[in-house]
Amino acid sequence: GAVVSQHPSRVICKSGTSVKIECRSLDFQATTMFWYRQFPKKSLMLMATSNEGSKATYEQGVEKDKFLINHASLTLSTLTVTSAHPEDSSFYICSARDPTENSPLHFGNGTRLTVT
Amino acid sequence: GQNIDQPTEMTATEGAIVQINCTYQTSGFNGLFWYQQHAGEAPTFLSYNVLDGLEEKGRFSSFLSRSKGYSYLLLKELQMKDSASYLCAVLDSNYQLIWGAGTKLIIKP
Repeated sequence: GAVVSQHPSRVICKSGTSVKIECRSLDFQATTMFWYRQFPKKSLMLMATSNEGSKATYEQGVEKDKFLINHASLTLSTLTVTSAHPEDSSFYICSARDPTENSPLHFGNGTRLTVT
Repeated sequence: GQNIDQPTEMTATEGAIVQINCTYQTSGFNGLFWYQQHAGEAPTFLSYNVLDGLEEKGRFSSFLSRSKGYSYLLLKELQMKDSASYLCAVLDSNYQLIWGAGTKLIIKP
């Protein structure tokens, strides 16, 4: 079945540095990918919708300049957390929609970001 | 507004059966998902219902009634490894996932 690969699974970085997270659809073309963030004891919060070849659509309250999203190809979307701070520490998850399937959303395994 | 309701926590005994309910009110409906999430890990896809009725997949079954805005996840022959959070999510008319807060399932020996 369709698989979404997310990398890295865990990353620890120092405050002020930037971190890039990759999301790849392995055997289907995803024109749309979604980026989520999970806060402790809360459900997943949609951050942005990534569209291939165009600018991402950000949810209200999400800083566009801080969370840079690039969807340069039909199989790859990246989320870059710029000038990371400890409050950015969280679990980030991407998902991609396979338009040819009856189950259109597949999730990556997530990235645990810890900013020290 | 959009709303997904599911119980916060449930407790069951190993080997038994448990049913986790989910009710929803969303702008449009393009399917309902159930995910399992162990602490510190990404959600794992369990089921997807878009038509009314019961979908069975091994020890797990999921039911949907669109007219009632209701779904349940049924887990049979519970095992200790089933201890996790179970998330109900609805795909709305814009294909955005609306998530419930999750149900923490505790399995006791």
